[in-house]
Amino acid sequence: DIALTQSPGILSLSPGERATLSCRASQSITGNYLAWYRQKPGQAPGLLIYAASRRAAGIPDRFSGSGSGTDFTLTISRLEPEDFVVYYCQQGGTFGQGTKVEIK
Amino acid sequence: QVQLQESGPRLVKPSETLSLTCTVSGGAFNSYYWSWLRQSAGKGLEYIGHIDKNGSPNYSPSLKSRVTMSVDTSKNQFYLKLSSVTAADTAVYYCASDISSAWWFYWGQGTLITVSS
Repeated sequence: DIALTQSPGILSLSPGERATLSCRASQSITGNYLAWYRQKPGQAPGLLIYAASRRAAGIPDRFSGSGSGTDFTLTISRLEPEDFVVYYCQQGGTFGQGTKVEIK
Repeated sequence: QVQLQESGPRLVKPSETLSLTCTVSGGAFNSYYWSWLRQSAGKGLEYIGHIDKNGSPNYSPSLKSRVTMSVDTSKNQFYLKLSSVTAADTAVYYCASDISSAWWFYWGQGTLITVSS
């Protein structure tokens, strides 16, 4: 099974700043079958990005995904207050351990 | 727009079987994959399994020996049974769905299941 390692574990930033989250796979992911989710407290995860770089329906363009092979990135261009939550990457049945974006 | 709602007993005794129902609205069963996942503080987000568009179940290897999934299209519901539960199975259980088997756009709100005597 592929293992996914997210970094950093915690990212401390201010509203309006740019966030860069990393997801590294233990082996190459074919077909770019990688997704990113945002989870707000008390809610189910919400799909942000699928197929590594495609925004899910209703997701604002400040969210973007990139990468291929074993290294993938989620970028939030300008952090809004509701973005200070936890983010997960996912491939198949495996999730990363999450990155928490907190207010600096 | 697919909407999902989990239901079932919130408290299960050790060694017994956890049973959950996911009620679906807004989606045709032969157009989507229907999945169960769970989330616990200790293990994070965990995929349990899914039913494919042909109605065939697929299970996570780590839980396969204890999991049974099924669907009743006449009731717009799909089901999860997890046998021989222990405290390690305490988690928030989600049903989820997508037209792809590779990710999940639609999620239920989740239900906390506690395994305790």
